[in-house]
Amino acid sequence: NAGVTQTPKFRVLKTGQSMTLLCAQDMNHEYMYWYRQDPGMGLRLIHYSVGEGTTAKGEVPDGYNVSRLKKQNFLLGLESAAPSQTSVYFCASSKEGYGYTFGSGTRLTVV
Amino acid sequence: GESVGLHLPTLSVQEGDNSIINCAYSNSASDYFIWYKQESGKGPQFIIDIRSNMDKRQGQRVTVLLNKTVKHLSLQIAATQPGDSAVYFCAESRETGANSKLTFGKGITLSVRP
Repeated sequence: NAGVTQTPKFRVLKTGQSMTLLCAQDMNHEYMYWYRQDPGMGLRLIHYSVGEGTTAKGEVPDGYNVSRLKKQNFLLGLESAAPSQTSVYFCASSKEGYGYTFGSGTRLTVV
Repeated sequence: GESVGLHLPTLSVQEGDNSIINCAYSNSASDYFIWYKQESGKGPQFIIDIRSNMDKRQGQRVTVLLNKTVKHLSLQIAATQPGDSAVYFCAESRETGANSKLTFGKGITLSVRP
């Protein structure tokens, strides 16, 4: 049982490039989330989804888009990367808002 | 404003002693709380959770206490071990179900002295 799997683990982008981060969970959870973690800031919610085909904005959604085409996958997209998006990105899933499980993170550097 | 905060950024304890990590929250409507442990280079790892209808919950070597009167949450680790060295986060949710969103504190570093 893999839990929450994030790909890639590391990525370096040039300013203006685009990319997609993939999150997959095998726990049949309805809810999925994308957080970013910056030094001294804790984890901040970017977007979340409470079911296949639904998404909603979190605390810091600007510059990101998400899609939940399949229940087990939650994609985070950066259309035009900026240095301010340099961060560690974590995906999480939960069963109806309880017992969140996190992935191991994607470290993104935008130069 | 609404926030989840930790009182101290670092905590150093002797191996074998008990550790107590404290957390304050400001929204009395918060009804679900989780403690996470994060080791360097890894994702947050679930430790223990508690709902607002409880004031204490125990796990393996860990206990979470919730004081809703003063909006205070604590994590107690018994017989602290070197492997407990990590950053600990408290997180709270104002709602569960479809509007469930966790808000995290900034984290406190626990350092275990041999």
